[in-house]
Amino acid sequence: GAVVSQHPSWVICKSGTSVKIECRSLDFQATTMFWYRQFPKQSLMLMATSNEGSKATYEQGVEKDKFLINHASLTLSTLTVTSAHPEDSSFYICSASPGRGPTRQLNTEAFFGQGTRLTVV
Amino acid sequence: QKEVEQDPGPLSVPEGAIVSLNCTYSNSAFQYFMWYRQYSRKGPELLMYTYSSGNKEDGRFTAQVDKSSKYISLFIRDSQPSDSATYLCAMKITGNQFYFGTGTSLTVIP
Repeated sequence: GAVVSQHPSWVICKSGTSVKIECRSLDFQATTMFWYRQFPKQSLMLMATSNEGSKATYEQGVEKDKFLINHASLTLSTLTVTSAHPEDSSFYICSASPGRGPTRQLNTEAFFGQGTRLTVV
Repeated sequence: QKEVEQDPGPLSVPEGAIVSLNCTYSNSAFQYFMWYRQYSRKGPELLMYTYSSGNKEDGRFTAQVDKSSKYISLFIRDSQPSDSATYLCAMKITGNQFYFGTGTSLTVIP
C-alpha cells in the first residue's frame, strides 16, 4: 500500500512553545491530507482537512490560530501547534488518500502516518 | 446517536480462536467500508475495504457488509498474539470524509 511518513514520532515541549509535525506522502501525490487527534481509548477525531495550495478546512471547535496547517506541496503537509499547553498533549495522526489512480478509478483507502505523541510539560 | 457504533471491548481470546468484530451505523448512504488495525502508539493500518454489501476475504481476515441491517463485521481466523491491537471500522459515502468507530481493543493470549 501507499506510504505516509509522519515526523517526529514523539516530542516533548515546554508549555508556551510551538511544535511542528510533518506529514509526507512518499510514493503518491496527495492533494488532500487530514489531521486527526486521538485521546487514549478513543477514536480518531478529525481536526482539519489540508488542501494543497489553499487554506485548510477546520472542524467545528478546532482553533485554526492554534493549530496551523500548511500544505505547501502535493507530498507535504505540516501541523504546527502554537503556544502549546498541557491540554494539547495527545496523539496526532495524519492521513492521505491517493485520490484517483491511473485507471481513473476512485481510490477509497486512506493511509495513515505513524502518529506523533505530543507531551507538553 | 453516533454515525458509527463500535463496542470498545476489551476483547480477550486464546490463540487460535475465531474473532468477530462488529460495527453498526445509522447512515444508509455509506458505501465504502474499511477496517483498520492500530498497534499501540502507531497510526492505523488499512486491513480491508469493501464496497457496498458482500464478503471479502484476505488470508485469515474476512470482512462482511450487510447494508440492509447497517452492520459490518471483521472475522479473524486462527488468531495470533500478533493480532493483538485495536481494530477500527471506518466508512464513507464518497469523497474523503471518513467516519470512524471508537475501536475495539483485542488481546490474543498465547
